[in-house]
Amino acid sequence: EPEVTQTPSHQVTQMGQEVILRCVPISNHLYFYWYRQILGQKVEFLVSFYNNEISEKSEIFDDQFSVERPDGSNFTLKIRSTKLEDSAMYFCASSESTRGQGDRGTQYFGPGTRLTVL
Amino acid sequence: DQQVKQNSPSLSVQEGRISILNCDYTNSMFDYFLWYKKYPAEGPTFLISISSIKDKNEDGRFTVFLNKSAKHLSLHIVPSQPGDSAVYFCAATSRYQAAGNKLTFGGGTRVLVKP
Repeated sequence: EPEVTQTPSHQVTQMGQEVILRCVPISNHLYFYWYRQILGQKVEFLVSFYNNEISEKSEIFDDQFSVERPDGSNFTLKIRSTKLEDSAMYFCASSESTRGQGDRGTQYFGPGTRLTVL
Repeated sequence: DQQVKQNSPSLSVQEGRISILNCDYTNSMFDYFLWYKKYPAEGPTFLISISSIKDKNEDGRFTVFLNKSAKHLSLHIVPSQPGDSAVYFCAATSRYQAAGNKLTFGGGTRVLVKP
């Protein structure tokens, strides 16, 4: 069964450093997402991406964050200058479609990258 | 942001019995609802969904009920099995009324199924 994969599974970095989290969405999916979950809190939406541009972003997704689809398979989240409060599980998700498309709009999640900022 | 709320942080049930998980929402723009299951150190796994035009959707042991007037949905798992022990998240989106497909999650309910 196709699945979303993410690397690395755990990233430790120093405050102020740049990190890139990588995701390989399901191959026939066209819509990509990043979510994060701070320990003990809800899973929260960061950004959605379609056709090489951001569709929607939350207020969390400020200028420190960027997303890119550098090739036909990878989808990346970059945090330019990490802060302590960026420590969280970051989940990538993908879907075949979005609006009114029944199960084709269902988002499938990867296993997550645990980011620890020291 | 309490747009989607799961008021029970945990639930313990005997194997073979029914598990009922509840979820409330406040945003009337939500028109599509999903349940995800999450094991430790894994990502959320899609379980079942329901559109706002329906009041019930069933898939094997899992049934989701939607009460639009009460802005309430529930997930029934019957019979419960030890492998169902996980955290269950309710999520909502505005799939028909707005562009995009961002999910708004509840806080999760930890289910423990005892053998």
